[in-house]
Amino acid sequence: DAGVIQSPRHEVTEMGQEVTLRCKPISGHNSLFWYRQTMMRGLELLIYFNNNVPIDDSGMPEDRFSAKMPNASFSTLKIQPSEPRDSAVYFCASSSQGVGTGNTIYFGEGSWLTVV
Amino acid sequence: AQSVTQPDIHITVSEGASLELRCNYSYGATPYLFWYVQSPGQGLQLLLKYFSGDTLVQGIKGFEAEFKRSQSSFNLRKPSVHWSDAAEYFCAVGDRGATNKLIFGTGTLLAVQP
Repeated sequence: DAGVIQSPRHEVTEMGQEVTLRCKPISGHNSLFWYRQTMMRGLELLIYFNNNVPIDDSGMPEDRFSAKMPNASFSTLKIQPSEPRDSAVYFCASSSQGVGTGNTIYFGEGSWLTVV
Repeated sequence: AQSVTQPDIHITVSEGASLELRCNYSYGATPYLFWYVQSPGQGLQLLLKYFSGDTLVQGIKGFEAEFKRSQSSFNLRKPSVHWSDAAEYFCAVGDRGATNKLIFGTGTLLAVQP
């Protein structure tokens, strides 16, 4: 199994630009999660999907952030416009049936975003 | 609300010494409990997990953790640390209910001295 695949691995962009992060979950997994990791706030859950439907987006910091999951094998996290405080590592993760039924979440290697 | 506390931000041990990383959780019932490890520049890798049954859980890389309900703890242990164990370790609690959230602690950074 290829695991959770994220792209790009690294991105440096200028303030005000649009950033799109992409994720391919593990095949057969129907729960997908976006986490953000920073030194100040640690690992934060931004949003998660079940069967392509957003279930809880209470962690999304503000309207500049949006996430979509058009099908079971692809999700995007978009930041528009980007700001320096968005600099972080963004992790995508997936699981089968979700943690609530005792399943493990598997993480991608992260997208390292720097906004200058 | 569920939460996880890792009281040690940074720990340094000598290679070959034993290790214990602390984790305390707050949850109304018995949660699902996890330990993940993150090496520099990498994603999170699952070390072990507790769902039910035996409270002493064995994981990969020689790690184990013990669930103690009375202390609301799930401490991670290893009898002899190797230099390659230097990394950041995260404890996490998962909801047994309808939600799928996994809440992480703030992590403990482990340094290993030769």
